[in-house]
Amino acid sequence: NAGVTQTPKFQVLKTGQSMTLQCAQDMNHEYMSWYRQDPGMGLRLIHYSVGAGITDQGEVPNGYNVSRSTTEDFPLRLLSAAPSQTSVYFCASSSQGRGNQPQHFGDGTRLSIL
Amino acid sequence: TQLLEQSPQFLSIQEGENLTVYCNSSSVFSSLQWYRQEPGEGPVLLVTVVTGGEVKKLKRLTFQFGDARKDSSLHITAAQPGDTGLYLCAGVRTDSWGKLQFGAGTQVVVTP
Repeated sequence: NAGVTQTPKFQVLKTGQSMTLQCAQDMNHEYMSWYRQDPGMGLRLIHYSVGAGITDQGEVPNGYNVSRSTTEDFPLRLLSAAPSQTSVYFCASSSQGRGNQPQHFGDGTRLSIL
Repeated sequence: TQLLEQSPQFLSIQEGENLTVYCNSSSVFSSLQWYRQEPGEGPVLLVTVVTGGEVKKLKRLTFQFGDARKDSSLHITAAQPGDTGLYLCAGVRTDSWGKLQFGAGTQVVVTP
């Protein structure tokens, strides 16, 4: 039972570099989302998708891009990494986005920007 | 400013004591969820409350959803060290379908 798989688990980048955080789920969930977690801030929504081909912005979308070409995958792209993007990133999926279904989370990607 | 305000931010108690965590907002939610997160892992769902005034019990955990669907509470009776973790509330506003937003969390530490 893979559930939600995030790769890589750890990454160190230099300021200005770009990279893609991968997220895949095998539960045929329509809803997927990306959060970042910083100390004292809880989880803040970056982008979300209610189905393949549909994405929308969350609370803190600046500096990040997403696409949803398949139901299974929802990659998060950092265009030009900045130290303020140092964080733990979580991907989640759910059968739908009404907030009354369980969100299944990956184990996170710990990202440091130097 | 967080959409969902959790209090307290940190709670340290002895095994056997009771505790209550609060989640408040000025917005109305279609439902609220409570998650627990342990170090190095993603949050795991504990419960979803959907009806104003609803009370749900999960063993020693009791969850309430306010009548106006703007707030919720989590009460743990006779806490055990295994209850240690970060407790997060989350919800989708009635006018923002799809945007599941979280509170900042309450770190609970239960010592033997």
